[in-house]
Amino acid sequence: LAKTTQPISMDSYEGQEVNITCSHNNIATNDYITWYQQFPSQGPRFIIQGYKTKVTNEVASLFIPADRKSSTLSLPRVSLSDTAVYYCLVGELSRDDKIIFGKGTRLHILP
Amino acid sequence: NAGVTQTPKFQVLKTGQSMTLQCAQDMNHEYMSWYRQDPGMGLRLIHYSVGAGITDQGEVPNGYNVSRSTTEDFPLRLLSAAPSQTSVYFCASSYSISGGYYEQYFGPGTRLTVT
Repeated sequence: LAKTTQPISMDSYEGQEVNITCSHNNIATNDYITWYQQFPSQGPRFIIQGYKTKVTNEVASLFIPADRKSSTLSLPRVSLSDTAVYYCLVGELSRDDKIIFGKGTRLHILP
Repeated sequence: NAGVTQTPKFQVLKTGQSMTLQCAQDMNHEYMSWYRQDPGMGLRLIHYSVGAGITDQGEVPNGYNVSRSTTEDFPLRLLSAAPSQTSVYFCASSYSISGGYYEQYFGPGTRLTVT
């Protein structure tokens, strides 16, 4: 998988929009960008995946610029329950058998 | 569907003991993997399997064995437990679709303490 860099931690307040950026300069042509969310004492949960431009689902949006060297996970109007660790992964399962998680971004939502 | 199930939820071992952590999935996923997560840390890949009969090492395979005799099951064996293996262990599974799309489903985890 391509190496990714994301902030170690972030704080925000309830009701705010939170953007977490992930850098992946050596992303390959067939790589997808995937984000996971992990609450304490639980396994990670898939949030969103994209290849280019913008993807939106009921939980989040994923913005990917044309050069695909970075991506931004956007969480609208966060609540205390969005406090979690967010992981950015870049790769292609059919090529990269090893799905490696980095340290992720620890998001702390304040009241 | 039950998804990915793991047993036991909690386990305490003495140094030198062996045990098997069980993982099963009912989604007919080809890909399965084991991770460990130490307190405050990210997940580290121990072993993975791309299909029945095929396994390979991840980032931290030492002290662990796996086998994949069926699509559904992927047990993780601790050969001789050490305090450094105290951790939370997660099993995950995924289908593999050409073009690179995948989504991993994680089990609830097994919290292991080695004294």
